[in-house]
Amino acid sequence: KAGVTQTPRYLIKTRGQQVTLSCSPISGHRSVSWYQQTPGQGLQFLFEYFSETQRNKGNFPGRFSGRQFSNSRSEMNVSTLELGDSALYLCASSLDGNRIYNEQFFGPGTRLTVL
Amino acid sequence: DAKTTQPTSMDCAEGRAANLPCNHSTISGNEYVYWYRQIHSQGPQYIIHGLKNNETNEMASLIITEDRKSSTLILPHATLRDTAVYYCIVPLSGGSYIPTFGRGTSLIVHP
Repeated sequence: KAGVTQTPRYLIKTRGQQVTLSCSPISGHRSVSWYQQTPGQGLQFLFEYFSETQRNKGNFPGRFSGRQFSNSRSEMNVSTLELGDSALYLCASSLDGNRIYNEQFFGPGTRLTVL
Repeated sequence: DAKTTQPTSMDCAEGRAANLPCNHSTISGNEYVYWYRQIHSQGPQYIIHGLKNNETNEMASLIITEDRKSSTLILPHATLRDTAVYYCIVPLSGGSYIPTFGRGTSLIVHP
């Protein structure tokens, strides 16, 4: 079974631009979560989508948004990029079982550099 | 919320057991503890999870204290490929979904 895939793997943008990152979950997984990883803050939860709806949200500004499609694929968007948005963005998928949180399977990440 | 506390770094000799502690003193009765690891430049990998009983799988064992305030991940025979950052998380806290990974423990396995 194919793992979680993320595109693109690397991205360079300039301040003020916007960016869209894509994530394809493992087949059959309906929950998709996004995380930001930086050396200073570690691995932080952005949001989680299930059945095309944002179900949970971390503590990030409104510039960070996402969506999920009917095939469970997800995109996240960052508008008005700031230097501090430079990070590894990770996507994770999970089955939605009988527990609210289920073990997550992570993709390789998208490395975003903001100049 | 049930924050976790882990040592910043640990080291272990190859072939020996690596015991990674995690403190989660504010955990509630129905909140699971999950462990992940992240090898450099890769996404985190799920290892194991538990509620109150000890758990074992092909990767590791998880020992949870009776009061559930702490747990220990055991890699029984560490190899060089186990060098990674290990995260202990309590993703559900006070009814809220907060999978906070923090900084984890950097484990270095040396020859």
